[in-house]
Amino acid sequence: DTGVSQDPRHKITKRGQNVTFRCDPISEHNRLYWYRQTLGQGPEFLTYFQNEAQLEKSRLLSDRFSAERPKGSFSTLEIQRTEQGDSAMYLCASGRGGGFYTFGSGTRLTVV
Amino acid sequence: AQRVTQPEKLLSVFKGAPVELKCNYSYSGSPELFWYVQYSRQRLQLLLRHISRESIKGFTADLNKGETSFHLKKPFAQEEDSAMYYCALSSANTGNQFYFGTGTSLTVIP
Repeated sequence: DTGVSQDPRHKITKRGQNVTFRCDPISEHNRLYWYRQTLGQGPEFLTYFQNEAQLEKSRLLSDRFSAERPKGSFSTLEIQRTEQGDSAMYLCASGRGGGFYTFGSGTRLTVV
Repeated sequence: AQRVTQPEKLLSVFKGAPVELKCNYSYSGSPELFWYVQYSRQRLQLLLRHISRESIKGFTADLNKGETSFHLKKPFAQEEDSAMYYCALSSANTGNQFYFGTGTSLTVIP
């Protein structure tokens, strides 16, 4: 068990392109969360899965954002038609509930 | 609405001095409060949670429901305590998602 893995670590993309990030949680964790962090701010909640079900989505998650967690294992976060405002660190966390969550190292997205 | 406020963006203390990082929250229910820490070039990690009432790396935090505060304290700061500290609120009513403050960057001066 190597903790929560996120791929890629860094992504630079041109405005208007689509990007997809992957998160591999700790295997026995049924909950998976996505957060976004911009400079000078704390992480902001985007969405959360319990097993394969997406149970909650933030208003921050516009129609351009979609997340999946097929089979309740890894998760992907896709951003379509990226905008400069999407530039941020995207964090994934997994846990079993009760407040104990392990965060990944994040994917830093830069939209140019 | 849920909100976590960390009034200090930057905090510097000398080694061996006491340190207190402030955190205030607003929440209508019964939240759980946490402190997360991020050391340079490392991932965000849990430092402590109020339910545990434990001391981690010499840090303690007491939940004061009357003042809606959860300040983080350490009597004698060490250089290795230099890091970014985030206060966070969670509730089972909201799927245990975290609401984070904006963070306080602590620098311990040797």
